[in-house]
Amino acid sequence: ELKVEQNPLFLSMQEGKNYTIYCNYSTTSDRLYWYRQDPGKSLESLFVLLSNGAVKQEGRLMASLDTKARLSTLHITAAVHDLSATYFCAGIDTGNQFYFGTGTSLTVIP
Amino acid sequence: NAGVTQTPKFRVLKTGQSMTLLCAQDMNHEYMYWYRQDPGMGLRLIHYSVGEGTTAKGEVPDGYNVSRLKKQNFLLGLESAAPSQTSVYFCASTSPGQAMNTEAFFGQGTRLTVV
Repeated sequence: ELKVEQNPLFLSMQEGKNYTIYCNYSTTSDRLYWYRQDPGKSLESLFVLLSNGAVKQEGRLMASLDTKARLSTLHITAAVHDLSATYFCAGIDTGNQFYFGTGTSLTVIP
Repeated sequence: NAGVTQTPKFRVLKTGQSMTLLCAQDMNHEYMYWYRQDPGMGLRLIHYSVGEGTTAKGEVPDGYNVSRLKKQNFLLGLESAAPSQTSVYFCASTSPGQAMNTEAFFGQGTRLTVV
């Protein structure tokens, strides 16, 4: 079974600062996903990372994948309040089951 | 474009009652999933289906049953609800076979409270 671990679980950061969320997974995963969830809402897809060395950026968020280290990162640049949310990473196994991390609750403080 | 629609959005059950949650998708996806989300535990897979007429157990299947009689619908049943099933339930769908970068699309969730 694919196990996905995120850290930190909680992150409080000031506006304008940079930070990174880490996602480790236990076995081979074909793809790695990042989702965002606002309180009381559903999950919104942010990035799909397909191969080793993949890097994707959208606004102040940048995701990368290192399949050899079984590590993905979500880097936040110059945080703003609108980025406050819970971020999940997920891997997918050969049976097409998605496995999610426990999430990182991000609060950006003015 | 509706995407993934869950019914109902909220429900309160008494212990021992039964209910069915409906998930409908209009994207012609082959794969559908039911997850539960609890504080501090992320999303855990209950059951999933890789096509019409097929279902399989996920990580936490006990106390739940599912059916996929039509490709677009995936039903999650609770035969005898227990307080431990109080949770937020999410349905998702995808078709990994069509495109490598296909992600899972989620419904809006069903908040279930068992008292």
